[in-house]
Amino acid sequence: ETGVTQSPTHLIKTRGQQVTLRCSSQSGHNTVSWYQQALGQGPQFIFQYYREEENGRGNFPPRFSGLQFPNYSSELNVNALELDDSALYLCASSSDHGETQYFGPGTRLLVL
Amino acid sequence: EDQVTQSPEALRLQEGESSSLNCSYTVSGLRGLFWYRQDPGKGPEFLFTLYSAGEEKEKERLKATLTKKESFLHITAPKPEDSATYLCAVQAGGSNYKLTFGKGTLLTVNP
Repeated sequence: ETGVTQSPTHLIKTRGQQVTLRCSSQSGHNTVSWYQQALGQGPQFIFQYYREEENGRGNFPPRFSGLQFPNYSSELNVNALELDDSALYLCASSSDHGETQYFGPGTRLLVL
Repeated sequence: EDQVTQSPEALRLQEGESSSLNCSYTVSGLRGLFWYRQDPGKGPEFLFTLYSAGEEKEKERLKATLTKKESFLHITAPKPEDSATYLCAVQAGGSNYKLTFGKGTLLTVNP
């Protein structure tokens, strides 16, 4: 059974640029959630996708957007990057909405 | 708004010295309480899910318990490899299945 994978592992961008992060969910899972984790903090919920539809969103501005594909993989897009967007971005997959969410290794984003 | 507070922020133990981590929460209708372990620079690793007060779960040297207001993660005779940040999260009932996390407890076990 393949776990959750994310790409890239690390990324450096400059302020104002756009970035796309990718996530492949665990086999058999149809729900993907994205979280942002700043240094020394717990993960903060960005949004969740269930069967290609957004199913809940946290307190993040519209420049954070996402997609889920028919194979249940997902993308997180961030436009107009700000310095405070520097963080570890985590993807988690689960079966049918909720219960246990299994996390990927994360993408470390640095905005200069 | 759902809230999770973990204490202590950091805990340093000697190998074999048992202790407990605390997770206090307020949530509108608890669906589940989750414990994760996170190593530096990596994603959280699932440990336990607890659903109702009085429930207990064990895995190796770890035991998680749940009351109506808090959860404890008991670590018995820890080893250096247990060193990590332990995260607690709650999931509320309803259609939004987000996890609300605490800031975590950084556990260091010295040999």
